[in-house]
Amino acid sequence: SQQGEEDPQALSIQEGENATMNCSYKTSINNLQWYRQNSGRGLVHLILIRSNEREKHSGRLRVTLDTSKKSSSLLITASRAADTASYFCATAANTGTASKLTFGTGTRLQVTL
Amino acid sequence: SQTIHQWPATLVQPVGSPLSLECTVEGTSNPNLYWYRQAAGRGLQLLFYSVGIGQISSEVPQNLSASRPQDRQFILSSKKLLLSDSGFYLCAWNPTGTHSPLHFGNGTRLTVT
Repeated sequence: SQQGEEDPQALSIQEGENATMNCSYKTSINNLQWYRQNSGRGLVHLILIRSNEREKHSGRLRVTLDTSKKSSSLLITASRAADTASYFCATAANTGTASKLTFGTGTRLQVTL
Repeated sequence: SQTIHQWPATLVQPVGSPLSLECTVEGTSNPNLYWYRQAAGRGLQLLFYSVGIGQISSEVPQNLSASRPQDRQFILSSKKLLLSDSGFYLCAWNPTGTHSPLHFGNGTRLTVT
């Protein structure tokens, strides 16, 4: 079963606007990660936030984590056409030695000129 | 630097035929290795993971199997493909014993006809 569920499923914005994607999950986590996938390609890691962190920044990306609500958000500021892709959240369980990440169904972001 | 190679990029196979997808990692030792499948427009489903040579863990019952004959080689196989095996298969790795982000290959698009 899918642990993470992204919202919205699809998002269309104009270049320069901000894009916000949300992710909800169900069980306790070690960390939550966001990935990007261009069409027909593998996923690329964007940012990781640990369960004891509340906010993290990387360039134009801002991630928040609310463990009490079991939710996270990814904000992309000043979006560009090159940001067009699918974005996935993934949760890492608190047990085991391998990262058995559970991925959500993703948000398809379209940035138009 | 570390790199991950996955091949072939695309594959069309008839129902009942065998399958072998290969993934190799360079520039690291004893990585955790993963096989994921992505159905069209969906998130990723973890199929198998391995924390060492000959150590394979299966996450879902299925028609597929995995093997790790060498430290940095991970193979996904099937003796007889089903139509439902169609999908986008992704190999990934991360350092052993960690919950660090995954590094993905570019994937194999498998169509079973």
